[in-house]
Amino acid sequence: GAVVSQHPSWVICKSGTSVKIECRSLDFQATTMFWYRQFPKQSLMLMATSNEGSKATYEQGVEKDKFLINHASLTLSTLTVTSAHPEDSSFYICSARGPPVRVADTQYFGPGTRLTVL
Amino acid sequence: QKEVEQNSGPLSVPEGAIASLNCTYSDRVSQSFFWYRQYSGKSPELIMSIYSNGDKEDGRFTAQLNKASQYVSLLIRDSQPSDSATYLCAVNGGSYIPTFGRGTSLIVHP
Repeated sequence: GAVVSQHPSWVICKSGTSVKIECRSLDFQATTMFWYRQFPKQSLMLMATSNEGSKATYEQGVEKDKFLINHASLTLSTLTVTSAHPEDSSFYICSARGPPVRVADTQYFGPGTRLTVL
Repeated sequence: QKEVEQNSGPLSVPEGAIASLNCTYSDRVSQSFFWYRQYSGKSPELIMSIYSNGDKEDGRFTAQLNKASQYVSLLIRDSQPSDSATYLCAVNGGSYIPTFGRGTSLIVHP
């Protein structure tokens, strides 16, 4: 149980284009989803937290107009990187979590999306 | 600022030995603690969660939690080369927003 999928697994795009990444919880309802970015050999960096039906909460330094997050249902969240530039090239990983009852507060990670902006 | 500290390593152990990974955290109201394993180029995968003081065992893995000292550790018995990865400690505070450590790189050599 607790499977999270992400699509696409990798994407290459030209500078200036927008890229949408989907994150789905396949066998549980994800009231909260998290979006992370990880550069090579660096630690996970939390970008934003999204709760179903609410606006995402962005971490300090993350541009909300550049990284658009939508969490319209209990099983789907999307991250859109708008006007992507080479410096946005990174490994984007989502995670999902059920209702914040203690025994269900584990977050499960998707397989990640490797974005390369040319 | 809630902090989770881990030694970045690398921690190098011979095959068959016990690997001991440590993590300290600053938020005293933290309630949930997790260990994730991350292979190079892959996303993290959950190894164990622990909520109460003491030890929790799952196969070759044992998580240990000491809330008074604000540390959580992970022991890997009979280490295998396939255990070579980065191990991430994660802590959920009162707000249930997770804080991750930077990870400890473990190398198990034959």
